[in-house]
Amino acid sequence: GDSVTQTEGQVALSEEDFLTIHCNYSASGYPALFWYVQYPGEGPQFLFRASRDKEKGSSRGFEATYNKETTSFHLQKASVQESDSAVYYCALGPLTGNYKYVFGAGTRLKVIA
Amino acid sequence: EAAVTQSPRNKVTVTGGNVTLSCRQTNSHNYMYWYRQDTGHGLRLIHYSYGAGNLQIGDVPDGYKATRTTQEDFFLLLELASPSQTSLYFCASSDALYAEQFFGPGTRLTVL
Repeated sequence: GDSVTQTEGQVALSEEDFLTIHCNYSASGYPALFWYVQYPGEGPQFLFRASRDKEKGSSRGFEATYNKETTSFHLQKASVQESDSAVYYCALGPLTGNYKYVFGAGTRLKVIA
Repeated sequence: EAAVTQSPRNKVTVTGGNVTLSCRQTNSHNYMYWYRQDTGHGLRLIHYSYGAGNLQIGDVPDGYKATRTTQEDFFLLLELASPSQTSLYFCASSDALYAEQFFGPGTRLTVL
């Protein structure tokens, strides 16, 4: 079935480090791909989306490129800050024939000042 | 800015208890969703709806009912709560397919 795999459960970095969080998906059809961020005590917030192959989404210094060949949508940021510490979710949808979305398990990012 | 509110924010009940979680969105979005969030599983879809009176089954529906009474209000019902339903529950809404979802602040439910 349709699924999203986030390889890293936790990532620990120092400020100004380069960030990559890996996201791979499996889906029938041609879903849109999303990244959400969740800060402690809050609900997830939309970060950005990409809807077609090779499209780049970006927001707040984060970016990811839709790659249909490798079925990936990896999140990157050139220089992380302590305030980026949060949980990041990759998601896909809506699925063919309905309007469901599938989320990955999430990646907890901790940035040390 | 879309606003999604949930109530209660925290709830403790006993096994076999009856619980209703409420969600309201104020932007007349068509699509509303209930998720549960558990460590290691991320967000899992329980039920969803595309309008008043409409209900669709999600990926983890067992033990849950839902009702969409108006465009704004979406309720999640646990009629015989079990400890396995202890979780953080999020409601979300969106106004169109391929659009982002707006999430509420969550309800933490503990079933003893």
